[in-house]
Amino acid sequence: GDQVKQSPSALSLQEGTNSALRCNFSIATTTVQWFLQNPRGSLMNLFYLVPGTKENGRLKSTFNSKESYSTLHIRDAQLEDSGTYFCAAHSGGSNYKLTFGKGTLLTVTP
Amino acid sequence: EAGVTQSPRYAVLQEGQAVSFWCDPISGHDTLYWYQQPRDQGPQLLVYFRDEAVIDNSQLPSDRFSAVRPKGTNSTLKIQSAKQGDTATYLCASSFWDNYAEQFFGPGTRLTVL
Repeated sequence: GDQVKQSPSALSLQEGTNSALRCNFSIATTTVQWFLQNPRGSLMNLFYLVPGTKENGRLKSTFNSKESYSTLHIRDAQLEDSGTYFCAAHSGGSNYKLTFGKGTLLTVTP
Repeated sequence: EAGVTQSPRYAVLQEGQAVSFWCDPISGHDTLYWYQQPRDQGPQLLVYFRDEAVIDNSQLPSDRFSAVRPKGTNSTLKIQSAKQGDTATYLCASSFWDNYAEQFFGPGTRLTVL
């Protein structure tokens, strides 16, 4: 099965509304990164998390290592928030790779 | 500060042709990664380097793929005899050598093999 499971796979929001994306991890995870991939394919870093919570503008993200999940909350969604959101798990130790989920495609409509 | 740069941005090949992708990491980052992202999936690691040394290439299809980073800065990923199944975006990332380091990605090269 998927080592990093993202939900939902797709989401449509009206401008100004709020929502949450989630990642569940079935591998040991020490840090989490969240990215937004734009239609041209560029991956933009949103958050880098150790266990805990970070906030940046309208975005807020939490990583709970004990329960093996992370969430990304989007408040007051804007058109420019549209794209594919990926979470990625870093297992630490001698393994430096990021294990990605399959992404959540977010469409924000007027 | 400049981010990770990659070229070309797009490549279209016939099956059997060869192609090379080039990556320039963030200045000062000693660790460089190549990921493959098939359509509608998340990126998957192919290979990564610390300086000029390959640390893990276990996911690199070694019969047709090769990657080098001869001076520990720029890197080249090459596909010999491309197949339709290689159609994907190839992403380069860099970080400091630290098993908790944040990785930063380039814009990717979108490869289509006809």
